[in-house]
Amino acid sequence: ETGVTQTPRHLVMGMTNKKSLKCEQHLGHNAMYWYKQSAKKPLELMFVYSLEERVENNSVPSRFSPECPNSSHLFLHLHTLQPEDSALYLCASSHLLWGQGNGSNQPQHFGDGTRLSIL
Amino acid sequence: SQQGEEDPQALSIQEGENATMNCSYKTSINNLQWYRQNSGRGLVHLILIRSNEREKHSGRLRVTLDTSKKSSSLLITASRAADTASYFCATDRDDKIIFGKGTRLHILP
Repeated sequence: ETGVTQTPRHLVMGMTNKKSLKCEQHLGHNAMYWYKQSAKKPLELMFVYSLEERVENNSVPSRFSPECPNSSHLFLHLHTLQPEDSALYLCASSHLLWGQGNGSNQPQHFGDGTRLSIL
Repeated sequence: SQQGEEDPQALSIQEGENATMNCSYKTSINNLQWYRQNSGRGLVHLILIRSNEREKHSGRLRVTLDTSKKSSSLLITASRAADTASYFCATDRDDKIIFGKGTRLHILP
């Protein structure tokens, strides 16, 4: 157990569906992240939250909408996705955010991801 | 552009042998981290080495860092079947953590 739980583990949806991915961390961390992992590509950082405030959006299309209602929960709302959005979506948390003290020294704790398939 | 890049992309060795993976990066760093990802799972942090450190050990793992060559290596000694996974290096750039594409390690019985 990493302390970061993602649900669902697998999701198949059509391009017109609306669904949400959920992430919960039980580590008392202040920063949470969404990553996209596609085959043969580096891990892509999508969104970063620090203490429930979005601090980074890496040019992610608006069909992905994050939400962080509190420091323990992070959601990724999906709407009108494209086939190229099929990937493993990973949530992570860290005690501190980079740029805060020794934030870049903080290991990230990952959930097991949601395998998303767009039909 | 990608900061860290692992080499080789894939590696198959016999159980009991040592496995060495390398990571090269482009700009100066404060620290470098190695992660492991088992199939169908998330990444797990293995070890962090700071820019002023040259070598670090954790169990069967040995990490080296050569800042003059902008490279790091991860050595897994006496490999086991459970070591089969993808291994990623992560470097910091502009205070952000950037992951490479990873090395897929397969331990043969």
